[in-house]
Amino acid sequence: QVQLQQWGAGLLKPSETLSLTCAVSGGSFSSFYWNWIRQPPGKGLEWIGEIDHSGITNYNPSLKSRVTMSVDTSKNQFSLKLRSVTAADTSVYYCARVQHWLPRGFDLWGQGTLVTVSS
Amino acid sequence: EIVLTQSPGTLSLSPGERAILSCRASQDIRRDYLAWYQQKPGQAPRLFIYEASTRATGIPDRFSGSGSGTDFTLTITRLEPEDFAVFYCQQYGSSPWTFGQGTKVEI
Repeated sequence: QVQLQQWGAGLLKPSETLSLTCAVSGGSFSSFYWNWIRQPPGKGLEWIGEIDHSGITNYNPSLKSRVTMSVDTSKNQFSLKLRSVTAADTSVYYCARVQHWLPRGFDLWGQGTLVTVSS
Repeated sequence: EIVLTQSPGTLSLSPGERAILSCRASQDIRRDYLAWYQQKPGQAPRLFIYEASTRATGIPDRFSGSGSGTDFTLTITRLEPEDFAVFYCQQYGSSPWTFGQGTKVEI
């Protein structure tokens, strides 16, 4: 059974860097794009970006200047860094996958990590 | 960027009734790459429909998706108690991938 398990710091101060990692267990790592999506408390979903197993990235232009994604194929893990956070970045952050060929939407999600930015 | 507008914002219905949720895109969605997700409080979204009308694995047949181009619909024929949740549409035809603002189906 394929699972996404994510972790990272849950409380940040303004201007710090958010750092999250998601581990893929039980399935192929190379057949998918690996995504980060966030959801402010009580609000809708925003796609942050994606990365594939070779490190090719695709970021949302609205966050591109502050986002870096990376991949560690030896551990089947991928990571998100978001620089210079503000209170507006307070959200639940999810990792999720999309099939590389014949995409079917985000068919598997991590459990979510609440990241709060507060001084 | 493709903007997705969902309506209504809230749908108040009773178990056994039919729910019809709408998702309208600001431009044609390539290959009808439109998905629907259900989200319950404290949980991650769950994929229900992809390619506008294909049910994901394990999704009951009372859920159906339809539409193409810019207008899409999710229909729940007979609401069960577990169906009351927020539903989001999402397009994955043109980057950046975008979501609608959600429709809450409440009792």
